[in-house]
Amino acid sequence: AQTVTQSQPEMSVQEAETVTLSCTYDTSESDYYLFWYKQPPSRQMILVIRQEAYKQQNATENRFSVNFQKAAKSFSLKISDSQLGDAAMYFCAYKVDFGNEKLTFGTGTRLTIIP
Amino acid sequence: DAGVIQSPRHEVTEMGQEVTLRCKPISGHNSLFWYRQTMMRGLELLIYFNNNVPIDDSGMPEDRFSAKMPNASFSTLKIQPSEPRDSAVYFCASSLALGRRADQPQHFGDGTRLSIL
Repeated sequence: AQTVTQSQPEMSVQEAETVTLSCTYDTSESDYYLFWYKQPPSRQMILVIRQEAYKQQNATENRFSVNFQKAAKSFSLKISDSQLGDAAMYFCAYKVDFGNEKLTFGTGTRLTIIP
Repeated sequence: DAGVIQSPRHEVTEMGQEVTLRCKPISGHNSLFWYRQTMMRGLELLIYFNNNVPIDDSGMPEDRFSAKMPNASFSTLKIQPSEPRDSAVYFCASSLALGRRADQPQHFGDGTRLSIL
């Protein structure tokens, strides 16, 4: 069974600084997707970024980027120039490419932004 | 464009009562998901539909839970009878599944916070 592990329950960063959130996963599949979702206090689940495992290039969305290490089964999220609005729970998630659309989530990392 | 719409946003009811949660997926999406979020278990998939057909219901806790998708624009999750341990946030999500290496990401509704007294 696929598992997703986020080993940092809480992280904090100074406003305008850079922070990296860690995620590791376990799978025997070769084709899959990885995601980072953000859940602010409003409890919405907002897609931050997506990575396809068959693509070697790391995904980037504005201030958000990932470091995808397929062999190490690692998928970290880097947030540059942190802003107060980035404060939220961040969930790493996995989905196999074909056959089952289920998302498997990690336990989340609570990110605090220090003004 | 309208996102995934869930109702109600909050529900408080007495143990033993029937609870019905509703979801309208994004128009054109062909897959719909029901997730439950609790402090103890995190986010877990209960059931998902593709083209209105249930595909994986292995996460449905027990027979008290049932889900239906009568058409492409509406789904319900029903709990009967409800118990205090069912208290959680229930999310509906939808996506467009296009096949190998072409699936689109899931978009979530705002969730229903359910409290069973």
